[in-house]
Amino acid sequence: GQSLEQPSEVTAVEGAIVQINCTYQTSGFYGLSWYQQHDGGAPTFLSYNGLDGLEETGRFSSFLSRSDSYGYLLLQELQMKDSASYFCAVRDRGGGATNKLIFGTGTLLAVQP
Amino acid sequence: DADVTQTPRNRITKTGKRIMLECSQTKGHDRMYWYRQDPGLGLRLIYYSFDVKDINKGEISDGYSVSRQAQAKFSLSLESAIPNQTALYFCATSHPGTGGTGELFFGEGSRLTVL
Repeated sequence: GQSLEQPSEVTAVEGAIVQINCTYQTSGFYGLSWYQQHDGGAPTFLSYNGLDGLEETGRFSSFLSRSDSYGYLLLQELQMKDSASYFCAVRDRGGGATNKLIFGTGTLLAVQP
Repeated sequence: DADVTQTPRNRITKTGKRIMLECSQTKGHDRMYWYRQDPGLGLRLIYYSFDVKDINKGEISDGYSVSRQAQAKFSLSLESAIPNQTALYFCATSHPGTGGTGELFFGEGSRLTVL
């Protein structure tokens, strides 16, 4: 089966850096994605790692280590608007190009002034 | 206008009633999905469809059915709703061009309460 583990909650202050970890167990692996969701709204795609290493997109970076079945999302220069839930997701073994994603349970990030 | 539109956005119904949640998209994507979100459980896949003639079960399809009426429309039905189907339901789409990135495009969600 597939399982992904993330911390349930993280708190940080404005301007700081925060790292949200994700470990996964899957029968096949085709890459790790990250999504952001504000207050039960539509999840929005943030980043994708198909290979080991760091991907940077503005204030957000995502890292993957396939040998450790581990990845993280790094948020820098935190802003109040970054308060949201963050989900990691992996493509299911049969997913291929279908993006049939299995999601983690999410990490609620609270940014404090 | 939203690219992925779900109706209704909110619905309260009673146990045993038949409910349909509808999803339409203007993104021109072939692939559509229905996910369910419960507090503490993340998003779980109910059904997905690669094209109009293709329907596949996800992790939690029991108690649900779907219909892909057209490339742009994918509806989810609860034939006889029960209280543990109370959840937030999301429709999503994807395109082969983004197939390698895990990028899904989500609707705003349909909040269903079954009393």
